[in-house]
Order: sequence, then structure tokens, then C-alpha cells
Amino acid sequence: DTAVSQTPKYLVTQMGNDKSIKCEQNLGHDTMYWYKQDSKKFLKIMFSYNNKELIINETVPNRFSPKSPDKAHLNLHINSLELGDSAVYFCASSHRDTDNSPLHFGNGTRLTVT
Amino acid sequence: QKEVEQDPGPLSVPEGAIVSLNCTYSNSAFQYFMWYRQYSRKGPELLMYTYSSGNKEDGRFTAQVDKSSKYISLFIRDSQPSDSATYLCAANSGGYQKVTFGTGTKLQVIP
Repeated sequence: DTAVSQTPKYLVTQMGNDKSIKCEQNLGHDTMYWYKQDSKKFLKIMFSYNNKELIINETVPNRFSPKSPDKAHLNLHINSLELGDSAVYFCASSHRDTDNSPLHFGNGTRLTVT
Repeated sequence: QKEVEQDPGPLSVPEGAIVSLNCTYSNSAFQYFMWYRQYSRKGPELLMYTYSSGNKEDGRFTAQVDKSSKYISLFIRDSQPSDSATYLCAANSGGYQKVTFGTGTKLQVIP
């Protein structure tokens, strides 16, 4: 009964490959996010979707493309992977219109590009 | 300059000590302030959530916000080895605006 679940947990791949990370939440939230955490633990937002609509799109290379088939799912596809893409990617969810709604995070996908 | 700055540590304290974790921020529009705890190989989990200036207490944890000096603090009383984790401060200007995180402070509580 995990609230925010991501797959896979670990992803090791070579430069130039294309890969996807999947996220699902069963909290009934209407907003989902992708965050990237680098080796120094800095957590930076990449994208946010509210009811399948993109509402936050930070300065992220267009090799990264989020897709939200419904409000419980948010996937991240990465084309032409580069060494610098190695990081932990966290999915999160919340209620957009509730000020006191904290972010609920998944346990991350550790991506290693070799 | 990052919008939320935090000393990365690491910080080592003996069990039972009072721990003080601090952040500063630069965006005057921030009104909501959070502390997240992140254990190794896990996602961050919310510890404390405060609105505007003031103190908020929850068990052994106290969050303090001083908007005049743009300073955020988390105090942990009677620290336990299970408190060993990375603590991330965060802020945003409204419930539907993006949350900006500090870089996290790694805390180790030694038995």
C-alpha cells in the first residue's frame, strides 16, 4: 500500500540510450512532480503536472519529457542519456489547491549513466 | 546564489544532545516553510510545516521562522540515533507554487 511508488529503483545504462521511469500515487492527489537530487543532495524541481496539465517546467533539457496519462501517474522519459544525467530522480505528489498540503515523495530512482 | 541556503555539515552529536539546524533564504515572497527528513536511500518525508513567522512544536521537534532576518531553524531535543539522517529545509510562496529546497544537513547522533 505504498503511497508514491517509482520503478525502477535502480537504473544503470550507457550514454546515448533512452530510458523511462514510472511513478504512481494512490493518495488521491491532483498534482505530481519530478525532482532531481544530485550527488550533493540538492533537490531541484524539474516538472509539475496538475490533472494531466503541465504547470511547472523548469529549465530542463528537452531530452527530458514527462507524460501524465492520468492524475495518478507521471512518467519521465529521457532521450540520449548523458553522464551528467546520473542522479536520483524523485517523484512526489500533493494537493495543488490546499496550502497545507505537503509533498509526498517516492523512494527515488537511482540513475547511473556510464 | 541559491534561494535557500543550508550548511551541509556533517554534524555529529552525542545521544541526548540538543541539535540546532539552520537555513537562510533570499526570496521575500516565501510564506510557507518546511523541514523534511531523508534517510539514506529513501525519499524525503515531511517533519514540520509552518506558515509565516513563529514557532511550532511537535514532540521533540521545534521549528522556528524569523521572516525579518529570513532565518529558519529546526531544534531537536533529546536526540536519538534514529534521528541520524539528512535534514532538508524548504520554502514556497503558496501551496500551489514550487517548493524550493536547501542542500540538506547530514546529522549523525552517536549512541
